[in-house]
Amino acid sequence: QQQVKQSPQSLIVQKGGISIINCAYENTAFDYFPWYQQFPGKGPALLIAIRPDVSEKKEGRFTISFNKSAKQFSLHIMDSQPGDSATYFCAASRGGNTPLVFGKGTRLSVIA
Amino acid sequence: GAVVSQHPSWVICKSGTSVKIECRSLDFQATTMFWYRQFPKQSLMLMATSNEGSKATYEQGVEKDKFLINHASLTLSTLTVTSAHPEDSSFYICSARGDRSYEQYFGPGTRLTVT
Repeated sequence: QQQVKQSPQSLIVQKGGISIINCAYENTAFDYFPWYQQFPGKGPALLIAIRPDVSEKKEGRFTISFNKSAKQFSLHIMDSQPGDSATYFCAASRGGNTPLVFGKGTRLSVIA
Repeated sequence: GAVVSQHPSWVICKSGTSVKIECRSLDFQATTMFWYRQFPKQSLMLMATSNEGSKATYEQGVEKDKFLINHASLTLSTLTVTSAHPEDSSFYICSARGDRSYEQYFGPGTRLTVT
């Protein structure tokens, strides 16, 4: 049973465009939703995260939108750049010592 | 963000030998550390969760006698792959979380190749 479903699997965006990646979760006990960026051969880097008490969080060009009733959250990358080309993972957890549950990842390619 | 290091970054070993991978939190105390395995173009697969000073909790299907995890201090956890075989070749990544913290920070990963 996949607890966090991520889409699309791959995404191609023109430089300067908006990249949008979506995730849906099933477990209503989840209360922490991070996004990670991973380059080939590297470990994932924490990009931005949100708790369910807010509907949106913005950090620079990266924005998380969160819809608690729909059990969905998304990552928006504004003004996408070739350097943003990487694999992005959404995740969720119940906090405490519980591990993160990851989506399957989205391979983003930003072309000039 | 917080910094987590891993050593070595890559290792090649012969079948039947054991390999130890170290994971260190450099600027915070990690009460909980996690070990993941990642195959090419796939998501992260959780292997085990370890809390400082206690035995690791392994995920279903992960052999605890093969993948020995030790979390002896608040800044160091080790993963030892015992009697390694070619099918153990993979990218191993650790992550760490501080006390009363939701954020989980990952190390740079260790590429293990068993010949």
